[in-house]
Amino acid sequence: DTAVSQTPKYLVTQMGNDKSIKCEQNLGHDTMYWYKQDSKKFLKIMFSYNNKELIINETVPNRFSPKSPDKAHLNLHINSLELGDSAVYFCASSQEGVDTQYFGPGTRLTVL
Amino acid sequence: AQSVTQLGSHVSVSEGALVLLRCNYSSSVPPYLFWYVQYPNQGLQLLLKYTTGATLVKGINGFEAEFKKSETSFHLTKPSAHMSDAAEYFCAVRGKGRGSTLGRLYFGRGTQLTVWP
Repeated sequence: DTAVSQTPKYLVTQMGNDKSIKCEQNLGHDTMYWYKQDSKKFLKIMFSYNNKELIINETVPNRFSPKSPDKAHLNLHINSLELGDSAVYFCASSQEGVDTQYFGPGTRLTVL
Repeated sequence: AQSVTQLGSHVSVSEGALVLLRCNYSSSVPPYLFWYVQYPNQGLQLLLKYTTGATLVKGINGFEAEFKKSETSFHLTKPSAHMSDAAEYFCAVRGKGRGSTLGRLYFGRGTQLTVWP
């Protein structure tokens, strides 16, 4: 069973489009995260939700909007995609009070 | 603020040789420390972590790391490299604060390990 899953794995789209990436975890964790890995493989946190409440909101454009319908899901919606949004986006989850974060396989977003 | 520095973006070793990947952190208090591995086109997998207690921690695949507070370091080692160890390795620290710093992982820029036959 996959602990943290993301869909789609690859996403190729045109500039200006709106797209969503979905994340689900079956570990029973109460905290979920979105990270962005750029072309130089640098990883940086974007958002964090704890029990469906936004905890961390890094300085990302308003075009990025996370949505957590329940504790097991954290989706990322991106409006008006730009070339610079091309990256690999990773979802992760953890249990509050426990330090280890478990990562999904990543979604490679390519904006043309 | 916390930061992580990984010395050497690329490390190459021969199969069977010692692997040493360096990581130094900057933090006002000793943080939680992690090493993750990323194989090509895959997500991050936890290799090992240090939270409290014994400063030498052992992880999966024969890797280990030692937390040295005086040197603010958490270097990753493996006595004998294997071809399957070729991957990107990330050192990370986690804040111990509350609120917005809770749970936040700060990553180093990664070290690409190449293993030659």
